[in-house]
Amino acid sequence: QVQLVQSGTEVKKPGASVKVSCKASGYTFTANFIHWVRQAPGQGPEWMGWMSSSSGGTFSAPKFQGRLTMTRDTSIGTAYMEMSGLTSDDTAVYYCARGSGADNWRRLDLWGQGTLVTVSS
Amino acid sequence: DIQLTQSPSFLSASVGDRVTITCRASQGISTSLAWYQQKPGMAPKLLIYAASTLQSGVPSRFSGSGSGTDFTLTISSLQPEDFAAYYCEQLNTYPSTFGQGTKVEVK
Repeated sequence: QVQLVQSGTEVKKPGASVKVSCKASGYTFTANFIHWVRQAPGQGPEWMGWMSSSSGGTFSAPKFQGRLTMTRDTSIGTAYMEMSGLTSDDTAVYYCARGSGADNWRRLDLWGQGTLVTVSS
Repeated sequence: DIQLTQSPSFLSASVGDRVTITCRASQGISTSLAWYQQKPGMAPKLLIYAASTLQSGVPSRFSGSGSGTDFTLTISSLQPEDFAAYYCEQLNTYPSTFGQGTKVEVK
């Protein structure tokens, strides 16, 4: 079954870091990029960055540069997203998504179920 | 960053209605635009990519068109399962950006 399965709900205090995992199955993990998207309560999706699952190369949106780290373990087909310096504004559901296609045919065609991260003192 | 403006933000419609949602980009993005459907508590689901290509498994009542800065998503005959939020996303230039969304509600 082709799917992305994410780790569970996290509750963190302001200033802490969080690490979310995203395990791929049913396809060749290194054949696609993994993107991270978050969605604050009642808001639309916000794109955070992508990682090449084969090379490990990354690109983060300027808003998250310096706080966002994306890594992967190809031996177990799992991507990770770590965010540091959390504030209440980082409370959101975090999604991983598979990137497919190139140029005008890029799209996010497979999504994880989401991981709720709550930042509260 | 490229801004995407969707309209309307809310849309009340009935089963069987033809529904059109627009997405305008702040600069030209060729046809590098995707449309997603999202239901409460669920992840977004890809409907359309490359502005007009239907994702595998998506019903043919969904269609997309446009290029450059102006795009549309059309549902030819709204079904009960189509009441949801819809988002456009541009992938022409990183950072990728999403529209603010259109919520399709029961009239």
